[in-house]
Amino acid sequence: QQQVKQSPQSLIVQKGGIPIINCAYENTAFDYFPWYQQFPGKGPALLIAIRPDVSEKKEGRFTISFNKSAKQFSLHIMDSQPGDSATYFCAATKGTGNQFYFGTGTSLTVIP
Amino acid sequence: ETGVTQSPTHLIKTRGQQVTLRCSSQSGHNTVSWYQQALGQGPQFIFQYYREEENGRGNFPPRFSGLQFPNYSSELNVNALELDDSALYLCASRGTSGRDTQYFGPGTRLTVL
Repeated sequence: QQQVKQSPQSLIVQKGGIPIINCAYENTAFDYFPWYQQFPGKGPALLIAIRPDVSEKKEGRFTISFNKSAKQFSLHIMDSQPGDSATYFCAATKGTGNQFYFGTGTSLTVIP
Repeated sequence: ETGVTQSPTHLIKTRGQQVTLRCSSQSGHNTVSWYQQALGQGPQFIFQYYREEENGRGNFPPRFSGLQFPNYSSELNVNALELDDSALYLCASRGTSGRDTQYFGPGTRLTVL
């Protein structure tokens, strides 16, 4: 059973556009929601993370929006650049974070 | 670049063989987790080690086993390899500061023929 559901599977935007990637979860015990960026041949790298006590977090061009009642969270990339082309994973964990549950990933392509 | 290193980079084995993958944690990190990432999928948690003891395990059979050494480096062992074991195996280390400090290595690409 997929604990975290992610959509879309792939996304193509023009440079400067704002791609949005969505994730949904069921387990209300989750209390930490990170986003990871993965380039080919590399491991996932932490991009930004949020806890459920806030509805939005912004770091540079990356913003997480969090809707606790709907059990959904999303990643927005402002002013997207070709260098942002990568696969993005949402994840969730609880407590001390022994186990992270990942979404299935979104392949983002930013066209120059 | 994170301080987490993995070896080897690539590996090809045949069905039924055994394999050992290695991970060197980032300096100061005492917790290591292993994940399996099948092609086109998100990482799936295998298990976690803290101070040389397994303290969490995902839905993987016992033929997946591990070790953590006093210097916090780690090994993942897989016995009786199956075709479906072909995947990228990721190691992630974490410090005492908590979940925010989990860093992944570049992974080992295992192909089982």
